[in-house]
Formats: sequence, C-alpha cells, structure tokens
Amino acid sequence: GNSVTQMEGPVTLSEEAFLTINCTYTATGYPSLFWYVQYPGEGLQLLLKATKADDKGSNKGFEATYRKETTSFHLEKGSVQVSDSAVYFCALSPQGAQKLVFGQGTRLTINP
Amino acid sequence: DAGITQSPRYKITETGRQVTLMCHQTWSHSYMFWYRQDLGHGLRLIYYSAAADITDKGEVPDGYVVSRSKTENFPLTLESATRSQTSVYFCASSRDYASTDTQYFGPGTRLTVL
Repeated sequence: GNSVTQMEGPVTLSEEAFLTINCTYTATGYPSLFWYVQYPGEGLQLLLKATKADDKGSNKGFEATYRKETTSFHLEKGSVQVSDSAVYFCALSPQGAQKLVFGQGTRLTINP
Repeated sequence: DAGITQSPRYKITETGRQVTLMCHQTWSHSYMFWYRQDLGHGLRLIYYSAAADITDKGEVPDGYVVSRSKTENFPLTLESATRSQTSVYFCASSRDYASTDTQYFGPGTRLTVL
C-alpha cells in the first residue's frame, strides 16, 4: 500500500539554522509528492510539490527534491526564521488518483 | 474570494448525538474531501466526492455519512457520535482528480465528543 514516513518531532532550532525534515514514502508507480504546512490555528496550505522523479519543488526558501531511487522527498531550508514555526506534513498522491496520504507531521519551533 | 470555509469551527457534543459539519467552497471545484487529523496519524481521508451526487469512501469511513447535492457544499454527518470521533476535521477541494493537482484546505472544525 501507499504510506509516508516523516522524521519524528518536535524539532527545535535557532533562527538562521539549517533545516532538514526527512520524508520517505512507499508507493507503486509514480506518485506526486507534496509538503503542506499548518500554522497555528489554521488549515493546511501547500508549501511545495514535485510531480516526477528528479523534480525540485521550491517555495519561500524551502526546497525538496523527488528522489525515486531512495523514495525520499526531504524538506530543506538554508536559514529558518521564527515565522517558519509550524507543523509540516509530507504527503503523496498515488499515480492516477487524487487521494492524499499523509505522514504524521513534524512540529517545528524556531527560537529567536 | 471566500475560498473554502467550514462551520462550526468548534463543536462539543455528547456520545450518541448526531452532528453535521459543513463545508462550502466558492471555486466550483469538482472534487471535495473530508479528513480527520489525530496526533500521531497525520490526516486520514474519510470520504471524497467527484461531483454532485457522487461520493466514495476513504481510509476511515465508518461512523460517517456524506452527501453532495450541490457542487459547492459537502457536509459530513456523524450519525451517532462516539468519543473516538473526537478530532479535528478538515475539508478540502481540488479542481481535478489528477495526482498532480493541489488540494486546498479549509480552516478545520475541532470536534469534542463527551
């Protein structure tokens, strides 16, 4: 079946630190991969996505590369800000279907 | 542009009562979805709908009923609420069913079943 595994949280970093949140997936075929972010008290919003192998999604300084050989989609940012504090969800949508499968989420806290 | 809205935002009910959560979108998106969010589980799909009068089960449909008489509305009903249905519920919509398409989420409804 389809599944997504994210690194355990919570993650606490200082402002301007480098961020990596690991995400690996299990799926048949060629799923699309997503990172969603949830700010406190809000719904999820798309951060970035990649729809085929070796694609790099990027937005707001965040990046993730679709690695089919390692079935991974790790989220990175070179210099985090306090405003990046949120819960981050990795998700996949199976090939040919719009049914998101989510990881368990990683809570990120950035201290000034 | 209101986007996608949910009501109520917070609801407290008792075991055995019927509860309906509302979802409304203004984009005329064909597809709509209901998820529940629980600690340690991320979000799990309850039901989805491809169009008015077309619905299908997701990963965790037991205890829930949906309907979609109009494209813009997708209510979720708990016919007899149980404590295990205490959760945060998110509605989402997408324009297309392609796996590459983006889902847009509402702000969520926090439901507590006593």
